[in-house]
Amino acid sequence: AQSVAQPEDQVNVAEGNPLTVKCTYSVSGNPYLFWYVQYPNRGLQFLLKYITGDNLVKGSYGFEAEFNKSQTSFHLKKPSALVSDSALYFCAVRTGGFKTIFGAGTRLFVKA
Amino acid sequence: EAGVTQFPSHSVIEKGQTVTLRCDPISGHDNLYWYRRVMGKEIKFLLHFVKESKQDESGMPNNRFLAERTGGTYSTLKVQPAELEDSGVYFCASGQQGGAGANVLTFGAGSRLTVL
Repeated sequence: AQSVAQPEDQVNVAEGNPLTVKCTYSVSGNPYLFWYVQYPNRGLQFLLKYITGDNLVKGSYGFEAEFNKSQTSFHLKKPSALVSDSALYFCAVRTGGFKTIFGAGTRLFVKA
Repeated sequence: EAGVTQFPSHSVIEKGQTVTLRCDPISGHDNLYWYRRVMGKEIKFLLHFVKESKQDESGMPNNRFLAERTGGTYSTLKVQPAELEDSGVYFCASGQQGGAGANVLTFGAGSRLTVL
């Protein structure tokens, strides 16, 4: 069965430090991978995606993610965290058809 | 451009009552999806429309849930009769069929349903 795992419920990081939000997936075929962010009382917003090509993809707000096929991972990273990055982050995967599957979300808390 | 609009933002009903959630997708987006997130858990797929046709409704929990998309524009999701376990946030998302924006979903702010 297709699934997405975000092993951390919450990630805490100090402002200015690098951050990583982890994601692993289990799907058949070649996956399309996504990260979305949700701010309070808002819908999910698209951050970045991997379809094909370079394993390191760059997205909005200075975020980037690295596709690792052997480890079936797609971790979200940012070199220097901002307090305003505090939000709920969702990893997602889509294969074949048009169904996109989401993880349970990871809450990022950036402390000033 | 206007985003995906969902109504109501919050609905509180009693067990056994009926609730209808509405979603207005981005104009021109043929793909429309409904998802649900129960507290702290993953966002679960409910169903997918392409224009007015149901492409995939494998995520619909049971026959108390009915989704429609009139004329391929807005969509409604009706829960009748509602049960306690139906509580959660219902998200609608829309997407392009092709082009540069294909594969990316644009979400509404969600409709929070509380069943007492």
